[in-house]
Amino acid sequence: KAGVTQTPRYLIKTRGQQVTLSCSPISGHRSVSWYQQTPGQGLQFLFEYFSETQRNKGNFPGRFSGRQFSNSRSEMNVSTLELGDSALYLCASSSEPSFSTDTQYFGPGTRLTVL
Amino acid sequence: DQQVKQNSPSLSVQEGRISILNCDYTNSMFDYFLWYKKYPAEGPTFLISISSIKDKNEDGRFTVFLNKSAKHLSLHIVPSQPGDSAVYFCAANNAGNMLTFGGGTRLMVKP
Repeated sequence: KAGVTQTPRYLIKTRGQQVTLSCSPISGHRSVSWYQQTPGQGLQFLFEYFSETQRNKGNFPGRFSGRQFSNSRSEMNVSTLELGDSALYLCASSSEPSFSTDTQYFGPGTRLTVL
Repeated sequence: DQQVKQNSPSLSVQEGRISILNCDYTNSMFDYFLWYKKYPAEGPTFLISISSIKDKNEDGRFTVFLNKSAKHLSLHIVPSQPGDSAVYFCAANNAGNMLTFGGGTRLMVKP
C-alpha cells in the first residue's frame, strides 16, 4: 500500500504571498490531519479533516486554512505569508477518526521557506 | 502550557545496550499514546503505541510502558543499534485525532 504523499516537497516563497500544499492519504484512509514543525515550537497540530469537513482545529491564525476533497485528498493554504511560517508541514492520515486509538501515519512533509 | 514533555533533549548509549526514553504528560484525558521516530526533513515514522487501559506493549526490540498514576510513559529499545539513532517523539491523543507531541529526544547509538 502506498504511503501518505505530499507535494511539493520543497517550496520557497516571499513574505505576503500565499501557498497551497497538497496531501494524498493512504488508500482507504478518510481522516487527514496537518501539523507544523518548527525548531522553536516543535510539532503542532493545525487541523483535521474527515469527509470534507473540518473536525478539529489547533491554535493557529485564520491565515491557515484547509479543505478536503471527496477522494480524501487534502490541501492546506497559508495566506499572507510571514517569515515565521517557515517550517516543515506534515500531513498524517488515519482510517477511523471516531476513535482516539487509531494510529496516524505521516507523509514526508513539505519544507516551506519564506524569504 | 506543554501537556506532553520529554525532559531529555538527547541520549547517548552504546550499541547493544538498552535505550530508555521518557515522556511525561499532564492531561488525564489522554487515552492513547504513541512513539514516533524521525529523521531530519522526513515525516515521523510510527513505532509503537499503547492504550491507556494497558501498562505495557511490546513489538520486537521496542517496549512501551505506561504508568497512568504518574502520568509517565517510557520507550525501551533493547538491544540498541546504530540505525536507531534518530529523534524520538512521544505523542498523546484523546478523542479527535489531535496528537499532542513532546519536544523530542535525540538518541545517538554509538557502535
